[in-house]
Amino acid sequence: SQELEQSPQSLIVQEGKNLTINCTSSKTLYGLYWYKQKYGEGLIFLMMLQKGGEEKSHEKITAKLDEKKQQSSLHITASQPSHAGIYLCGADGRTTSGTYKYIFGTGTRLKVLA
Amino acid sequence: DTGVSQDPRHKITKRGQNVTFRCDPISEHNRLYWYRQTLGQGPEFLTYFQNEAQLEKSRLLSDRFSAERPKGSFSTLEIQRTEQGDSAMYLCASSSTTAGVLTDTQYFGPGTRLTVL
Repeated sequence: SQELEQSPQSLIVQEGKNLTINCTSSKTLYGLYWYKQKYGEGLIFLMMLQKGGEEKSHEKITAKLDEKKQQSSLHITASQPSHAGIYLCGADGRTTSGTYKYIFGTGTRLKVLA
Repeated sequence: DTGVSQDPRHKITKRGQNVTFRCDPISEHNRLYWYRQTLGQGPEFLTYFQNEAQLEKSRLLSDRFSAERPKGSFSTLEIQRTEQGDSAMYLCASSSTTAGVLTDTQYFGPGTRLTVL
């Protein structure tokens, strides 16, 4: 079955530093979604990537999907304390039989030190 | 506020009691999903509806769990005879999707945190 692996599991950076979070799928992705979750709250949609090689940016966050559509990276430039939280990648892992399966990685916990 | 809303935000109950959660999706979204999330894990898919039809249920959804979306708008998730292992955050999400489109951007509510004592 399809799985999503995220790395690193946790990250502590000094304010102003850049960082990258990776998400790797065992199968080709139809769509790769990045969400941010504050502790104990719901998920906030950040970006969706669909095409191989696609790159999207929102403010200081950039996400890329590789050409093979099996790996995505989320890059934060000049991190701020407001970037702290849990970053989750999700994927629409529809099976060959058409069964719906939306799966998530286990998350990357980001802490930004002021 | 036009986002996904969930009620209650927190629920504490004793083992063996029944609980019911409500989710109001973004208006006009035809799909509604339920997930369960435990500490340190990503959300796990439970079930989803397209309009009022429940199209899929995960094996995680035991016979103590039932979900409804009677008019294709709000949905309820009921857990009967709660167990301590049911303690988790229950998340609801909605999306607007059309036939033939493989991607499905979901928008999440704030979640209902259930604690079973």
